[in-house]
Amino acid sequence: DAGVTQSPTHLIKTRGQHVTLRCSPISGHKSVSWYQQVLGQGPQFIFQYYEKEERGRGNFPDRFSARQFPNYSSELNVNALLLGDSALYLCASSLGGFRETQYFGPGTRLLVL
Amino acid sequence: RKEVEQDPGPFNVPEGATVAFNCTYSNSASQSFFWYRQDCRKEPKLLMSVYSSGNEDGRFTAQLNRASQYISLLIRDSKLSDSATYLCVVTLYNNNDMRFGAGTRLTVKP
Repeated sequence: DAGVTQSPTHLIKTRGQHVTLRCSPISGHKSVSWYQQVLGQGPQFIFQYYEKEERGRGNFPDRFSARQFPNYSSELNVNALLLGDSALYLCASSLGGFRETQYFGPGTRLLVL
Repeated sequence: RKEVEQDPGPFNVPEGATVAFNCTYSNSASQSFFWYRQDCRKEPKLLMSVYSSGNEDGRFTAQLNRASQYISLLIRDSKLSDSATYLCVVTLYNNNDMRFGAGTRLTVKP
């Protein structure tokens, strides 16, 4: 069975640009969440979606937005990129939210120059 | 004060040793508790959930003390393959927010 997939695997952008990251959950999973992980730190929660609705939002600026599609895949968008947005962006899926085991994808490594 | 605090380590132990990690959380409304494991340059993976009664999975034992807002993980008979970063995780707000600690790095040496 396929696990959580994310694309692209790596990305280089310049300040001020925008980026779209994509995530496909495990088949049957209806919840997707996004995290930012800076080197040497644990993942920081950005968004959680369940059944295409936003269920939770972390302490991130409005430059960060996301959505979940009818097939439960998800996109994370970041506008007006800053150097500090350079990080590993992780997506996780689960059957029904944070009570359940979160299955993480391999992440997208974003470098902002 | 961080919501979830862990000793960053690193912990360097010989094979066969017993090692314990501690984690404290600041929000008394935290609802669910987990330990995740993250290998170098890989994604986190669930190691075990943590229950108030304590729970054990083979060589791993997790404990939760809600009164002290404290979570622990004990690894017995360490193996080389246990080398990883161990992340303490709590959920908040009706399980709609998930907070990770910075992780504790473990290296098991032959």
